[in-house]
Amino acid sequence: DQQVKQNSPSLSVQEGRISILNCDYTNSMFDYFLWYKKYPAEGPTFLISISSIKDKNEDGRFTVFLNKSAKHLSLHIVPSQPGDSAVYFCAASALGNQFYFGTGTSLTVIP
Amino acid sequence: SQTIHQWPATLVQPVGSPLSLECTVEGTSNPNLYWYRQAAGRGLQLLFYSVGIGQISSEVPQNLSASRPQDRQFILSSKKLLLSDSGFYLCAWRIQGRDQPQHFGDGTRLSIL
Repeated sequence: DQQVKQNSPSLSVQEGRISILNCDYTNSMFDYFLWYKKYPAEGPTFLISISSIKDKNEDGRFTVFLNKSAKHLSLHIVPSQPGDSAVYFCAASALGNQFYFGTGTSLTVIP
Repeated sequence: SQTIHQWPATLVQPVGSPLSLECTVEGTSNPNLYWYRQAAGRGLQLLFYSVGIGQISSEVPQNLSASRPQDRQFILSSKKLLLSDSGFYLCAWRIQGRDQPQHFGDGTRLSIL
């Protein structure tokens, strides 16, 4: 049973515009959420995270929003750059040790 | 700073052969360690995780096993590989405690012939 879902397998955005990647989860016990970026043939790289006590966390061009009532989180990238083209995974955990990943969204930023 | 090493980067093995993938972490003590598999076009599937030496939790029944002989060493093994074991294997570590992210190695591409 997929507890973390990314329903959009792919997304294309023009350079300079906003990229919005979405993620839904089913387990109300999840209390820590993360986004990873992955290039082909490499391991995922940690981007940004958010604790369930917050609803927004910002780091440079990357902002993660958490809507606990809707069990939804999103990653905003502003402005999008061609180097942002990669697969983005969201992940969630409850009390730390085990992490559950979505299936990923492939972002293409068009120059 | 902490680093994670995973090898080999690519591996081609015949069906029925054994497997040993190794992962080591430097610059930290008593990390949580993880093995994931990413099948083609799929997400990351947690295979094993460990919170300490000799402590292994298995998430998916399979013909793979894991061991943690030292604090910062995590090994993924199989006695007899199946075609379905093909995939991209990733090792990860994290500092124990709440709100700590996982950090991944560069992965091993395993092809079974």
